[in-house]
Amino acid sequence: EPEVTQTPSHQVTQMGQEVILRCVPISNHLYFYWYRQILGQKVEFLVSFYNNEISEKSEIFDDQFSVERPDGSNFTLKIRSTKLEDSAMYFCASKEGQGGAKNIQYFGAGTRLSVL
Amino acid sequence: DQQVKQNSPSLSVQEGRISILNCDYTNSMFDYFLWYKKYPAEGPTFLISISSIKDKNEDGRFTVFLNKSAKHLSLHIVPSQPGDSAVYFCAASPSNTGNQFYFGTGTSLTVIP
Repeated sequence: EPEVTQTPSHQVTQMGQEVILRCVPISNHLYFYWYRQILGQKVEFLVSFYNNEISEKSEIFDDQFSVERPDGSNFTLKIRSTKLEDSAMYFCASKEGQGGAKNIQYFGAGTRLSVL
Repeated sequence: DQQVKQNSPSLSVQEGRISILNCDYTNSMFDYFLWYKKYPAEGPTFLISISSIKDKNEDGRFTVFLNKSAKHLSLHIVPSQPGDSAVYFCAASPSNTGNQFYFGTGTSLTVIP
């Protein structure tokens, strides 16, 4: 069964460093997302991406964050200068299209980001 | 902002009995709702969804009920099995074609053998 894959599963970085979290969405999906979950809290929307541009973003997704689809398969989240409060589980998701079953977002297993 | 609330952080149920997980929302623009199940060290897995034009959707042991006037939905699992033990998240979207899902904080279900 097709799945969303994320690498690495765990990323440890020093405060102020740049990190890139990688995702390979399901191949025929057109809409891509990043969410995060701080330990013990709810899953929070960061950004959605469609047709090579951001379609929606939350207040969390400030200038330190960027997303890119550098080729036909990868979808990346970059944090330019990490802060301690960026420590969280980051989930990538994708969906096929709009309406009905196509609107279901499928999630990857997540990347745990630890900022020291 | 707590647009989607799951007020019970945990629930324990005996195997074979019914599990009822509840979710409340505040945004009247929400009209598409989903339940996700999450095991430790895994991402959320889609379970079942419901559109606001319905008040019930059933898939095997899982049934979701939607009460739009009360802004409340619930997930029923009958009969509950030990493998159902996981964290269940309710999610809502402003439309069936919407992008952003708003998640609740989750309810940890433990099914006791």
